[in-house]
Amino acid sequence: AQTVTQSQPEMSVQEAETVTLSCTYDTSENNYYLFWYKQPPSRQMILVIRQEAYKQQNATENRFSVNFQKAAKSFSLKISDSQLGDTAMYFCAFPTGTASKLTFGTGTRLQVTL
Amino acid sequence: DGGITQSPKYLFRKEGQNVTLSCEQNLNHDAMYWYRQDPGQGLRLIYYSQIVNDFQKGDIAEGYSVSREKKESFPLTVTSAQKNPTAFYLCASSRGSGYSYEQYFGPGTRLTVT
Repeated sequence: AQTVTQSQPEMSVQEAETVTLSCTYDTSENNYYLFWYKQPPSRQMILVIRQEAYKQQNATENRFSVNFQKAAKSFSLKISDSQLGDTAMYFCAFPTGTASKLTFGTGTRLQVTL
Repeated sequence: DGGITQSPKYLFRKEGQNVTLSCEQNLNHDAMYWYRQDPGQGLRLIYYSQIVNDFQKGDIAEGYSVSREKKESFPLTVTSAQKNPTAFYLCASSRGSGYSYEQYFGPGTRLTVT
């Protein structure tokens, strides 16, 4: 069975600092995508970044980047220059099966402080 | 504006009553999904539909039912058979159902059953 593990329930970072959220997963598939979603207090799920497993290059979206280690099945999210608006729950997600059903981790609650 | 709407935002029901949650999308997406979110947990898949007039059970389908009569609409009925219906419900859609397609989420419905 495919699983997604986020081992950090809560994290805190000061504004303008960098923080890394970790995610590990387990799969027997070779080609797949990985996603990071953000859920702010409004509870709207927003896609932050996605990574294609067959691409060596780590994905980057502005201040958000990933460190993808396929062999280690690790997919961490780095947030640079943290902003107060980054305060949210962050979920790592992995699509399983032919219908791209998403398996979610339990989330990391990130608090950005002044 | 294209997007996914869910209504109502908050819903209260008495135990033993069926209740239907609405989900509409104008993104012309083929696939739609229903997730349930409980405190401290990630999202869990209830039902999904890859195409009109077809849907499949997810990981926690017991006590729920759906229909997909129109491409734009994927309502979820929480029946009296669902033992713990109080939760936050999220609807999502994606352009296709392959593993590369990201999912877009609605704002969610908070259901409270007493």
